[in-house]
Amino acid sequence: EVQLVESGGGLVQPGGSLRLSCAASGFTLSSYWMHWVRQAPGKGLVWVSRINSDGSSTNYADSAKGRFTISRDIAKNTVYMQMNSLRAEDTAVYYCAREGEDNGNYYYYMDVWGKGTTVTVSS
Amino acid sequence: SYELTQPPSVSVSPGQTASITCSGDKVGDKYVCWYQQKPGQSPLLVIYQDDKRPSGIPERFSGSNSGNTATLTISGTQAIDEADYYCQAWDISTPWVFGGGTKLTVL
Repeated sequence: EVQLVESGGGLVQPGGSLRLSCAASGFTLSSYWMHWVRQAPGKGLVWVSRINSDGSSTNYADSAKGRFTISRDIAKNTVYMQMNSLRAEDTAVYYCAREGEDNGNYYYYMDVWGKGTTVTVSS
Repeated sequence: SYELTQPPSVSVSPGQTASITCSGDKVGDKYVCWYQQKPGQSPLLVIYQDDKRPSGIPERFSGSNSGNTATLTISGTQAIDEADYYCQAWDISTPWVFGGGTKLTVL
């Protein structure tokens, strides 16, 4: 069964750091792009970051640039998001998602999602 | 930056057809997908590449995309379809951009 399980969320003070993890099973990360998407309480979905299948390319939303870093460990089949200089507005549920692909072609959709991990930034 | 605009809410009677729009500049030139999210759950892909349904998604869900508007259509809407729906597209200025979401109420 294809599955994504996030962990690492919690309560952190403004200016602090957290590292989120996303363990994948049922498929190998080396074949897929992976994303982090967040959802603030009562708000909509917001894309945060993407890493490509071989780890050579990453993209970030403006809100994450310079503060967040996406990475992956193929041996552990796990994606990470290192979040530094956290702000109150980073409070959200963070979802890990897999980019769908069709015979090696990408059409920019996310076909598998984890259940999310909650990050709360507050003093 | 690129923006996708959805109506905040749509209401439909059981058995009727619900249409949820997603507006954006020349969105018809892009691939649009749609997600369903029920309270306390993670998003579920229901339409991708404008009009394709993933395995396991009922046939009553369909999509179209032309000009400045993409549309998610739910035919024969059921109570279990009550959820928030998000459109999403890709643009070079704002990769993987989501619409603001539409709350579908079945009453």
